[in-house]
Amino acid sequence: AQSVSQHNHHVILSEAASLELGCNYSYGGTVNLFWYVQYPGQHLQLLLKYFSGDPLVKGIKGFEAEFIKSKFSFNLRKPSVQWSDTAEYFCAVYGNNRLAFGKGNQVVVIP
Amino acid sequence: DAGITQSPRHKVTETGTPVTLRCHQTENHRYMYWYRQDPGHGLRLIHYSYGVKDTDKGEVSDGYSVSRSKTEDFLLTLESATSSQTSVYFCAISERVVDGYTFGSGTRLTVV
Repeated sequence: AQSVSQHNHHVILSEAASLELGCNYSYGGTVNLFWYVQYPGQHLQLLLKYFSGDPLVKGIKGFEAEFIKSKFSFNLRKPSVQWSDTAEYFCAVYGNNRLAFGKGNQVVVIP
Repeated sequence: DAGITQSPRHKVTETGTPVTLRCHQTENHRYMYWYRQDPGHGLRLIHYSYGVKDTDKGEVSDGYSVSRSKTEDFLLTLESATSSQTSVYFCAISERVVDGYTFGSGTRLTVV
């Protein structure tokens, strides 16, 4: 079965700082990877996804992620965060007709 | 998203009572999922459906059952609610799972 591991569960940073969230996956089939964001009190929304091709994927709100096959990683980045990026971020991998999610990263951006 | 609604949004129930949560979609998507979200555990799959009357268990299915008699509705039943089932429950839909999910707004369930 597929699985995802996320590191640094709680991240606190100031506005304009850079953000990088780690994600490592385990799955033996064709890799399809996702990052979702959950703003306080809301449901999960898709940030970006990787299927194939260019390993650097750009998503909404200035986020990007890089797929590194040799490291089984799909790390999320944003060069300069804003207070509105305060949220929980989930990495997910597709397999067997479902998505498996990591435990999430709680990100707090201080104005 | 307007294409998927969950009801109720909030519910408080007593230990030992049955509870049914509803997920309704207007997108005619094939796949429907129930997850629970708990601090420190992320999202864990309870059950999912890949068509009318076709369902399968997820990783935390004990104590839960599901039914899908119509494409648009996917019901989650807690047969006899326990305090450990206090959680936020999310429904998700997908036509092609490789494209990802669309999530509902969630149901916050408290078992007292």
